[in-house]
Amino acid sequence: DAGVIQSPRHEVTEMGQEVTLRCKPISGHNSLFWYRQTMMRGLELLIYFNNNVPIDDSGMPEDRFSAKMPNASFSTLKIQPSEPRDSAVYFCASMTSLGRGSSYEQYFGPGTRLTVT
Amino acid sequence: AQKITQTQPGMFVQEKEAVTLDCTYDTSDPSYGLFWYKQPSSGEMIFLIYQGSYDQQNATEGRYSLNFQKARKSANLVISASQLGDSAMYFCAMREPYGGSNYKLTFGKGTLLTVNP
Repeated sequence: DAGVIQSPRHEVTEMGQEVTLRCKPISGHNSLFWYRQTMMRGLELLIYFNNNVPIDDSGMPEDRFSAKMPNASFSTLKIQPSEPRDSAVYFCASMTSLGRGSSYEQYFGPGTRLTVT
Repeated sequence: AQKITQTQPGMFVQEKEAVTLDCTYDTSDPSYGLFWYKQPSSGEMIFLIYQGSYDQQNATEGRYSLNFQKARKSANLVISASQLGDSAMYFCAMREPYGGSNYKLTFGKGTLLTVNP
């Protein structure tokens, strides 16, 4: 089975531009998470969805960030306008909460390395 | 206050020896889950092992085992018979409260493990 798919793998953009990161979760998983990883702040949860509904977006840095999950197989994280401090690796992860006795481990995608100049 | 503390920024171990990576956590909730992830230099996050707060026995997965000491609030990862491919960053994470619709993970800062030949 395919794992979590993220695109693009690398993105270089100029300050002020709009950036859209994409994620396809593992088929059958009903929870999806967006994380950001930087050297200074480590791995931070930005937002997570359960059954396509945003449950907690308290980690979203500011209004420039938005995330959507229009269906069970696709999610986007958008930054508009982008700033140099947004440079980081952005991970998408998915999980199933439907199995009994599951440890609810999250499976991560390969990440998108974003550089804003 | 940090919820997950990994006090070892870096660790070195000789190939074929065992190594313990430390993790302490802070929670007042009796129900929680603890996870370890591996991040090799290629960047992906790989789930290794899980321990539930009510589990009576320490979790084991192949060469990985979790030394869970509930009273001390520690969940150390033990890697037996280290291999060169174990060289990576290792993250401890906690989900709390466990169950319901809360699937957020809080990650520690990580420990960089280097296995020497």
